[in-house]
Amino acid sequence: QSALTQPPSASGSPGQSVTISCTGTSSDVGGYKYVSWYQQHPGKVPKLMIYEVSKRPSGVPDRFSGSKSGNTASLTVSGLQAEDEADYYCSSYAGLYVFGTGTKVTVL
Amino acid sequence: EVQLVESGGGLVKPGGSLRVSCATSGFTFTNAWMSWVRQAPGKGLEWVGQIKSKSDGGAINYAAPVKGRFTISRDDSKDTVYLQMNSLKTEDTAVYYCTTEYYYTLKYWGQGTLVTVSS
Repeated sequence: QSALTQPPSASGSPGQSVTISCTGTSSDVGGYKYVSWYQQHPGKVPKLMIYEVSKRPSGVPDRFSGSKSGNTASLTVSGLQAEDEADYYCSSYAGLYVFGTGTKVTVL
Repeated sequence: EVQLVESGGGLVKPGGSLRVSCATSGFTFTNAWMSWVRQAPGKGLEWVGQIKSKSDGGAINYAAPVKGRFTISRDDSKDTVYLQMNSLKTEDTAVYYCTTEYYYTLKYWGQGTLVTVSS
C-alpha cells in the first residue's frame, strides 16, 4: 500500500483555523470509516487526536475535528494555539494500516 | 493507567538480528490487538505489523518492507509483545514504537526504542 498524501506544511495565526487534507484511494480512505489523526511534537511520542474519521478521544480539545469526503479525509484545527504547532499524520485501516506523509503545522 | 515500555534496541550490523520487547500494563493484554510502528530519523511514521488477540484468531500481519524478515509474537502470561528482526538493513534504522489498537486506531503508544543498523 502507498502512503496517503498530505501537504508538507500548513500554517495559521493564533485564533485562526487550519485544515489538513489526507488523500488516499477507494481501497483505504474512501472505502472504510477507520481514518485516524495523530499529533507529534518534536522528539515526542505520537498522540491520537481523531479516530473513526471524526471521533475525539477523551481529553482531546473540541478545537480538533475530522471529516471525510470520498477518498480525502481532513483534520481541522480551530482557534489555533501555540501548542498546536506539531507534525500531524493521518492513517487508514483497511486490513493493514497505512500512514500519511505528514504535515508540519506552524503557528505564525 | 496504560503503560507500554519498549526495550532491546541498540546498534546492529547489516544482516544481523535483534529482538525488541514491549512490556505492558494497565489493560487486559490478552484481549488486545498490538501493532509496531517505526519512524526513521527525520522521517514519517511507518506501520510495521500487527498481532491480534488469541480470542480473535491470533492473526499476524506485516507491512511489505518487513514481511519475511520480521516476526511479531506475544506472551500473554507476561503481557508482552515482541518484534524479532532478522536480515536487518540500514533502512530499518528507526525508533520502534509499540502500540495498542482500539477500534482500528492506534490508541496508546510506548516511548519507543531506537534500532540503529550500521557497520
